This record gives sequence, structure tokens and C-alpha cells, in this order.
Amino acid sequence: ETGVTQTPRHLVMGMTNKKSLKCEQHLGHNAMYWYKQSAKKPLELMFVYNFKEQTENNSVPSRFSPECPNSSHLFLHLHTLQPEDSALYLCASSLDPGTNTGELFFGEGSRLTVL
Amino acid sequence: DAKTTQPPSMDCAEGRAANLPCNHSTISGNEYVYWYRQIHSQGPQYIIHGLKNNETNEMASLIITEDRKSSTLILPHATLRDTAVYYCIVRNLRETSGSRLTFGEGTQLTVNP
Repeated sequence: ETGVTQTPRHLVMGMTNKKSLKCEQHLGHNAMYWYKQSAKKPLELMFVYNFKEQTENNSVPSRFSPECPNSSHLFLHLHTLQPEDSALYLCASSLDPGTNTGELFFGEGSRLTVL
Repeated sequence: DAKTTQPPSMDCAEGRAANLPCNHSTISGNEYVYWYRQIHSQGPQYIIHGLKNNETNEMASLIITEDRKSSTLILPHATLRDTAVYYCIVRNLRETSGSRLTFGEGTQLTVNP
């Protein structure tokens, strides 16, 4: 138990569906992240949020839309995905940049399959 | 952030020490060395980090060479549950854009009974 909870753990969707991934952290952190891990590839950073503001978008296609309503919750809205978007999506959190030790706390991930 | 090089895979006998090397020859003075591990189909887990002194915690020890161009993560008594991909990451802690970490390929450690 890392204090970062992701739901759902598994998701299967068609290319025309709209779905969302949810992440919640109970650690009092102010920064939250989405990472993508495709089969046999390194983790790729997608988005970074600090104090609810997006501070980084690593050229992620617009079919992935993040939302951070508060420092404890992070969503990834999915729309018209492609089969190559099938991957493990990992959420992480950390203390804010001014006080952090660089330690990220990851959730268990949401395994997405796009048919 | 400086690039790191790790062997793609290693084996270790259960109960023996696992020594995982990492090369980071272009590391700069402000950059820390971090180690994470990822057990199959789970999220990565922080292990330890250091700047230039050796560090030890309940999980592992981190040995950084004097010139800081390489480091070794030591799991003193490896168990089957230590089978995972181990990532060595170099990062400047003074970045203001959050704790972004760039993960490489890592080392697949397999602990054998």
C-alpha cells in the first residue's frame, strides 16, 4: 500500500469509447504525475501537475486529456484511442518541488486494452 | 539529467548479496543517484538515493564511487520477492518542475532458489 490508489485496475475499451482513469493520493502531496508503460518499453512521463496546475505535457496526443481538480485527485480522460495506446498507465505523487526529496510514490497502475 | 547505463539482466542466488551496477559517467555536481524497482505489473517503488556519500536503509545500501561516475546498489540478502526490474536514475534535485524522473531500461534481477 503506497497511499496512491488507481481505478480501475483493468479497462478494456473500443476505439470509439470515452473512459476515464482515476488516481487518488492520501499522502498530502502537491505534485501528481501520469506515466505510460508500453510492453517492453521504459516508463514514459506524460503529464506533471503541481498544486493543480499542469507544468509539463510531454507532447501527449490530445486524445489523452488530464484533469486535476485538487492536489489529491488526478484523472486521465480517454477518447478515440488507438490499439497502440494499450499500456499500463501509472499515477504517481510527490511533495512539492521546494521540499521534496525526489521520491515518487506510484500507484499499482491501470492496465488499458484498446480493441 | 545525466544518462545511466545498466546491464540488462542479472541473476542472484537466494540469500546471497545482489550487487547491481550503474554507470553515470556524465553526472554533474548537483545530480543525485536514485534507485527504484518495479516488480512485474506493479508500480515502481523507491529504494534509496544519494549524492556522494554511501547510504543505507532497511531495503538496501548504495555505494557511490569517489568520482561519482558509477554506483552499486546492494541488496544484502536477496529473496525471491526481490525479483524485479531495478532502475538507476540520475536527477537534479533542484529542478522546479516537480520530481520528474526519466526511467531507462533498467536491470532485470532474477533471484533463484
